[in-house]
Amino acid sequence: KNQVEQSPQSLIILEGKNCTLQCNYTVSPFSNLRWYKQDTGRGPVSLTIMTFSENTKSNGRYTATLDADTKQSSLHITASQLSDSASYICVVSATGGFKTIFGAGTRLFVKA
Amino acid sequence: NAGVMQNPRHLVRRRGQEARLRCSPMKGHSHVYWYRQLPEEGLKFMVYLQKENIIDESGMPKERFSAEFPKEGPSILRIQQVVRGDSAAYFCASSTTLGGEINTGELFFGEGSRLTVL
Repeated sequence: KNQVEQSPQSLIILEGKNCTLQCNYTVSPFSNLRWYKQDTGRGPVSLTIMTFSENTKSNGRYTATLDADTKQSSLHITASQLSDSASYICVVSATGGFKTIFGAGTRLFVKA
Repeated sequence: NAGVMQNPRHLVRRRGQEARLRCSPMKGHSHVYWYRQLPEEGLKFMVYLQKENIIDESGMPKERFSAEFPKEGPSILRIQQVVRGDSAAYFCASSTTLGGEINTGELFFGEGSRLTVL
């Protein structure tokens, strides 16, 4: 069964600190993995997208990694800001079809 | 280039009424996806459409729910005889294909339509 599991479910950190969010998936055959940021009451916005051959991709203070062998991805946020408070969603797509599987998300709270 | 436009942003309906949610994809995008998000939960796939065709509706309830994406105009998600359990945020996303691979197209989301059923 195609699944995407994210951890932790929620996380509280102090402003300026770093954090890492995890995503494990069983989607097969793998096509790509994306991380989205969803602010409260808003639609998700893409942060990174990685295909099978890519193992790291950065977008400003956000760095995503992908290990296609272990089927794991992480999103590292550096020097967190209050505006980073949001849900971060891992999304994995399979080739040969239309299936895009969403993780339940990690809710990040950055406190001053 | 305007993003994905959804309207209404907020909709209140009484039980038994109909709800119609509209989604205009980004210019040049011919693929539309509808997702439902309950409070404190993740996005759940409902339906995937291309112009005039429903490609995958496996996530959409068989009764009361329908979706269309006509040749002209926005995609419509229609919920008939709404019940309280239909209260949720409904997000639309659009994409274009890259090199013929349907799933390498980036998904661009609208801001969602929030349905409240009284």
